[in-house]
Amino acid sequence: GESVGLHLPTLSVQEGDNSIINCAYSNSASDYFIWYKQESGKGPQFIIDIRSNMDKRQGQRVTVLLNKTVKHLSLQIAATQPGDSAVYFCAENRNSGGSNYKLTFGKGTLLTVNP
Amino acid sequence: SQTIHQWPATLVQPVGSPLSLECTVEGTSNPNLYWYRQAAGRGLQLLFYSVGIGQISSEVPQNLSASRPQDRQFILSSKKLLLSDSGFYLCAWTGKASSDTQYFGPGTRLTVL
Repeated sequence: GESVGLHLPTLSVQEGDNSIINCAYSNSASDYFIWYKQESGKGPQFIIDIRSNMDKRQGQRVTVLLNKTVKHLSLQIAATQPGDSAVYFCAENRNSGGSNYKLTFGKGTLLTVNP
Repeated sequence: SQTIHQWPATLVQPVGSPLSLECTVEGTSNPNLYWYRQAAGRGLQLLFYSVGIGQISSEVPQNLSASRPQDRQFILSSKKLLLSDSGFYLCAWTGKASSDTQYFGPGTRLTVL
């Protein structure tokens, strides 16, 4: 079936290094993608999003890249800090009829930043 | 600005007892509302969504139900809890546009013993 998945379940990096978290999706009809950060015991927090008519979008220390040809999404975090340690989810937003949109989440990648 | 609240933050309930979790949104009107469940170390599973008052769609068959008595209030209920209902329950809201981001509440940790 159609799904959004992550290549790596865990990622460990040194403080100050750049982190790259990858995500594959299979529904070519999805037009909106979101990255969330979830710290332990908290709700997911929006990081950055990208529409399907874009290839790249930058935020503060984060960049999302979208490759529609291979249905691949990535999140790049520059100069990773200990506070970046969390689980990161990608999600694709699909229209399920009318004005309702539903998110399909990947399994998540646990990012651990070592001091 | 918009905020979303959930309560209680944590809950421990015996098997067979009823459940009522509440979610409210402030600072917006006519939002789409969602209930998710997250098992430990896992992703998010969509349980219910609502596009308006009294309009509930269920995503998976289960022991739970949802209601939306007011525009910005979403309630998750059960008449008799099962052990398998334990988890982290998250409420989320979004606007009506395709590019509106879903924003999540702080979650409720439910433990059924």
